[in-house]
Amino acid sequence: DQQVKQNSPSLSVQEGRISILNCDYTNSMFDYFLWYKKYPAEGPTFLISISSIKDKNEDGRFTVFLNKSAKHLSLHIVPSQPGDSAVYFCAARSNFGNEKLTFGTGTRLTIIP
Amino acid sequence: GAVVSQHPSWVICKSGTSVKIECRSLDFQATTMFWYRQFPKQSLMLMATSNEGSKATYEQGVEKDKFLINHASLTLSTLTVTSAHPEDSSFYICSASKEKGREQYFGPGTRLTVT
Repeated sequence: DQQVKQNSPSLSVQEGRISILNCDYTNSMFDYFLWYKKYPAEGPTFLISISSIKDKNEDGRFTVFLNKSAKHLSLHIVPSQPGDSAVYFCAARSNFGNEKLTFGTGTRLTIIP
Repeated sequence: GAVVSQHPSWVICKSGTSVKIECRSLDFQATTMFWYRQFPKQSLMLMATSNEGSKATYEQGVEKDKFLINHASLTLSTLTVTSAHPEDSSFYICSASKEKGREQYFGPGTRLTVT
């Protein structure tokens, strides 16, 4: 049972344009969400997170939006840069005394110069 | 900073042997460390959660006698794959958190190939 889903396995975006990566979840107990970036043969790197009490969090070129009613979150990267090409994972966590992260299946983002 | 290292970065072993993978938090003390595995083109799956000085908590379906986890100090956790089989070949990644409820910092991963 995949509780966190990233339905787009890949995405290509022109350099300088906006990249939008989507993530859906089914578990209503999730209340903290994170985005990680991963290069091949490396561990994931934390990008940005959002608590369920917020609907938006911004950090430089990265903005995460959370729609609790739709159980949907998205990561916006603007402007997109070639170095952003990687696999992006969204992850979710329940705060009931458990730090377990549930990861989505990832979206491979390719920025076209 | 929050740097997590893993050793080795890749290992090849013969079927039936055991392999130990180390995970270290280099510049912070980790209250909790986590072990994940990732199959090609799939998500990271949590195997177990490790707290210093106590037994690891394994996820459903993960054999605790096969994947031995030791968390001897606040900066070191080890995963030993015992009696490895080719189906254990995977990418194993550890992570560590500075305090409960905070972000996890991931190591670079270890590629295990069992022949």
